[in-house]
Amino acid sequence: ETGVTQTPRHLVMGMTNKKSLKCEQHLGHNAMYWYKQSAKKPLELMFVYNFKEQTENNSVPSRFSPECPNSSHLFLHLHTLQPEDSALYLCASSQGQGGYGYTFGSGTRLTVV
Amino acid sequence: AQSVAQPEDQVNVAEGNPLTVKCTYSVSGNPYLFWYVQYPNRGLQFLLKYITGDNLVKGSYGFEAEFNKSQTSFHLKKPSALVSDSALYFCAVTGRGNTGKLIFGQGTTLQVKP
Repeated sequence: ETGVTQTPRHLVMGMTNKKSLKCEQHLGHNAMYWYKQSAKKPLELMFVYNFKEQTENNSVPSRFSPECPNSSHLFLHLHTLQPEDSALYLCASSQGQGGYGYTFGSGTRLTVV
Repeated sequence: AQSVAQPEDQVNVAEGNPLTVKCTYSVSGNPYLFWYVQYPNRGLQFLLKYITGDNLVKGSYGFEAEFNKSQTSFHLKKPSALVSDSALYFCAVTGRGNTGKLIFGQGTTLQVKP
């Protein structure tokens, strides 16, 4: 375990469902991130939170809704997704932002049917 | 703007041979450089980082990387590859210390054949 826990590990959902991904870290980090990784492999940064405040949204469709109730927890609420949203969703955390590196969770493998 | 390039989509190496995975970067200011490894359906795992000091950085699993300021490169190396090293490798950089966001390269798949 890296100290960043993501649940569930796998999720299959229909296009009309609503589900949430959860990320939890107890490393004392103040920044948290959501990434999408499709089969073509590059990492796509979705959202950045610093001290619970969203500081970056990279033109992510509104069907993805993040929530950061405190510095230790991060959620990604999903609704009316499309099949092309199927991917590995990775959460990461860091102390400060870049200089100390990021700690990643194991990811949630999402399949939209 | 900060950027990272990993020019090779895939690197193929025979087990026991040395391996190199290439990374070049562009940042303003002094770079903080990282290598991560990803195994299938897993998150990224930290391998090593360069902040300052000796240009040759040693990391986990026998990997090392050499920082070359004049060539703006940070290539990952290992003297003798193992089949178990087969994975996806990401280079990352930030140019503003602990206030700068990490920028990741596109990733390079390393295939080590027996």
